Amino acid sequence: GAGVSQSPSNKVTEKGKDVELRCDPISGHTALYWYRQSLGQGLEFLIYFQGNSAPDKSGLPSDRFSAERTGGSVSTLTIQRTQQEDSAVYLCASSPLHSSNQPQHFGDGTRLSIL
Amino acid sequence: GDSVTQMEGPVTLSEEACLTINCTYTATGYPSLFWYVQYPGEGLQLLLKATKADDKGSNKGFEATYRKETTSFHLEKGSVQVSDSAVYFCASHSGAGSYQLTFGKGTKLSVIP
Repeated sequence: GAGVSQSPSNKVTEKGKDVELRCDPISGHTALYWYRQSLGQGLEFLIYFQGNSAPDKSGLPSDRFSAERTGGSVSTLTIQRTQQEDSAVYLCASSPLHSSNQPQHFGDGTRLSIL
Repeated sequence: GDSVTQMEGPVTLSEEACLTINCTYTATGYPSLFWYVQYPGEGLQLLLKATKADDKGSNKGFEATYRKETTSFHLEKGSVQVSDSAVYFCASHSGAGSYQLTFGKGTKLSVIP
């Protein structure tokens, strides 16, 4: 079946522009997560959604970052006024429900490059 | 907070050599433990998991045993193949109000013919 789908796969933009990244989770998965993978920091948690609500936004690095999820399915991560340090691979994951013993299923990520 | 420490790479092995990638964790309570693999140009894939002490996860010839006494979850394979070349991530998930996987920094494995 279809896995987690992310788009675009690559995004190059100029510093100061806004970007929007999309994640389409596995059908029926209610839990959705965003992570960031960068060379210096490894894999960092950004935000978790259960359905349409976000009980944990603790990983968002600044108020330039926001995310929403509508209809309990697709999620978008928005970065406003991008900075060069935002360059990273942004990964989305989903699981059937949130539980510590449920593995998270990852998409291939969006590689974001800020010029 | 939770943390995961795994051996730094890169690791280069000849085909059919034995592999061990060390992983230790600190966590609240008793976390579930995972190994994820990232092949070149691809996303993270779950390799194996263990959810309680003394559990052994296994997949594709890889194994890891959840050792509570040493807070470890070392990844092992008896005979590696060129196709095992990838980056391997150890991760923990403690639950208890935490929603995130906590990852190690990854170990890059290169297997040469």
